[in-house]
Amino acid sequence: AQKVTQAQTEISVVEKEDVTLDCVYETRDTTYYLFWYKQPPSGELVFLIRRNSFDEQNEISGRYSWNFQKSTSSFNFTITASQVVDSAVYFCALKEDSSYKLIFGSGTRLLVRP
Amino acid sequence: NAGVTQTPKFQVLKTGQSMTLQCAQDMNHNSMYWYRQDPGMGLRLIYYSASEGTTDKGEVPNGYNVSRLNKREFSLRLESAAPSQTSVYFCASSTGGDSNQPQHFGDGTRLSIL
Repeated sequence: AQKVTQAQTEISVVEKEDVTLDCVYETRDTTYYLFWYKQPPSGELVFLIRRNSFDEQNEISGRYSWNFQKSTSSFNFTITASQVVDSAVYFCALKEDSSYKLIFGSGTRLLVRP
Repeated sequence: NAGVTQTPKFQVLKTGQSMTLQCAQDMNHNSMYWYRQDPGMGLRLIYYSASEGTTDKGEVPNGYNVSRLNKREFSLRLESAAPSQTSVYFCASSTGGDSNQPQHFGDGTRLSIL
């Protein structure tokens, strides 16, 4: 069965701190895709990144970085030098190659305080 | 550059009333989806349409019907609304459900059923 777990319900940090959001997934497929979405207070869902199961290379985009480790079934997201504008709910999601369904974790609410 | 457009943005219904949520995309995407978002539960797939002319049940289809009117439009209907259907509803689209391309989301419809 496919499943995504985001164990951190809510994280609060002070601006400029680094923060890591955890994501653990379960799947039986050998080919799958992992995603991160951001949901700011305004409510829309913004796509951040996609990772394929056969590409374990970590990725950095500005202050954002992602650490994909198949050995631990994790796809963690780190924000460096957090800013107030990073305050949002962040969702990790999994899609198996054999399925049309995108399975979401329950989300992590990040609050960055000035 | 509208992307995915949902109407209405807000709606209040009484128990037993019916309503159709509208969704249209202008990205020439083949696949479209309806999700509901409830507190602490992430997004759950209600129905999806892999391509024009096809629809399939997702994780939580009970109490809903869908229509893929054409390639651009995918509507969600509540025939007899129940308080348990109070939620935020998101429509999404992607190039193809069997691809690894990300889903793009509308801004959501906040639906309250009294």
